[in-house]
Amino acid sequence: DGGITQSPKYLFRKEGQNVTLSCEQNLNHDAMYWYRQDPGQGLRLIYYSQIVNDFQKGDIAEGYSVSREKKESFPLTVTSAQKNPTAFYLCASSKSSGRTSNTGELFFGEGSRLTVL
Amino acid sequence: DAKTTQPPSMDCAEGRAANLPCNHSTISGNEYVYWYRQIHSQGPQYIIHGLKNNETNEMASLIITEDRKSSTLILPHATLRDTAVYYCIVKGRGSTLGRLYFGRGTQLTVWP
Repeated sequence: DGGITQSPKYLFRKEGQNVTLSCEQNLNHDAMYWYRQDPGQGLRLIYYSQIVNDFQKGDIAEGYSVSREKKESFPLTVTSAQKNPTAFYLCASSKSSGRTSNTGELFFGEGSRLTVL
Repeated sequence: DAKTTQPPSMDCAEGRAANLPCNHSTISGNEYVYWYRQIHSQGPQYIIHGLKNNETNEMASLIITEDRKSSTLILPHATLRDTAVYYCIVKGRGSTLGRLYFGRGTQLTVWP
């Protein structure tokens, strides 16, 4: 079945370590996105990519990095520069970015919960 | 994109209709209304979207007022599995899908 797969589901990290969260989709979607969600809060956009080999910063990109070398994959690295990395991270994709139309649907993965010890 | 206002929480008896309101009084003519929901510790799930006509799919119905300043999401026969946070979002032309503003939404609790 088509969908988005995030791994790992749970991750523990020591302060000062970089970690990479995986996001893979087999929906043949062009656009992919990373969000952060803190307890009781909405989603905040970290990075997004509308096409392979291109990505843009979202609203809270500091301390994070991404790559988009393949259409199917959009990994997120949480670097040691991120001050408060403990959060729930969500990856999403869409057929297009929806920039020239009002319609479209975001498909989300199940999320990765990162805890910094 | 226009912002939305939703009640923080609602509850509903199992089997009854759940009517979730959303206010978007500053919506402009080319902005769509989207609804997503998020079950605890999972990714959000798309439910429905609309422009000005009422919409229905297998999950829910969306009723948009004639002036488009508010809308209601209707789950006709709520089940326990419908307990989730429901987000009402407005999206305009020119902004990316990824910039849909997921605020705090409405926590719907369906009780037996």
